Amino acid sequence: GENVEQHPSTLSVQEGDSAVIKCTYSDSASNYFPWYKQELGKRPQLIIDIRSNVGEKKDQRIAVTLNKTAKHFSLHITETQPEDSAVYFCAAKERWEYGNKLVFGAGTILRVKS
Amino acid sequence: SAVISQKPSRDICQRGTSLTIQCQVDSQVTMMFWYRQQPGQSLTLIATANQGSEATYESGFVIDKFPISRPNLTFSTLTVSNMSPEDSSIYLCSVERGARMNTEAFFGQGTRLTVV
Repeated sequence: GENVEQHPSTLSVQEGDSAVIKCTYSDSASNYFPWYKQELGKRPQLIIDIRSNVGEKKDQRIAVTLNKTAKHFSLHITETQPEDSAVYFCAAKERWEYGNKLVFGAGTILRVKS
Repeated sequence: SAVISQKPSRDICQRGTSLTIQCQVDSQVTMMFWYRQQPGQSLTLIATANQGSEATYESGFVIDKFPISRPNLTFSTLTVSNMSPEDSSIYLCSVERGARMNTEAFFGQGTRLTVV
């Protein structure tokens, strides 16, 4: 089955700097890669996703890149703000006999210092 | 989007007892997913619940420990049976909206379970 690895496990940046979180996946058949943000005590919420037919997607300060050949994708947050502090999870959608299911990375704790 | 109501939001339970968590969705969905999130950890899929059939469990999770009901297309329950402190965790239900592989997952607010 699919295996998703995520790095780093923690990341501290100064406010205004950029943050990059990287994930690799194992199943070349996976073709949907979402990123979720989870604030303390809250539910995970989708912040951006990318399909395998594109290499990059941007939404304001957030961007995601995908390299299908290398089977890795990355989240880029520019001009970080204290409210970006949260746990970020990447995921890959695995095709499975009963449908499709998400496999999550281990998560990255992002701390933005003001 | 999807509105998911999950309850209880938290509970403290005695070991050996069982807790049933409810998940209500604002519209019909084919599959509902149940996840466990242990403290400081990622989301691990417990099982997938389809209406009208038995749930499909992931490796390491069994029906006797985590029985699931799916009586209709908007509701599901997960029971954590014969609880031990190791079951202390956050349990989340999830649904997806979209077509085929290109779907967005939405989560309930979670149930924070503490077993003492």
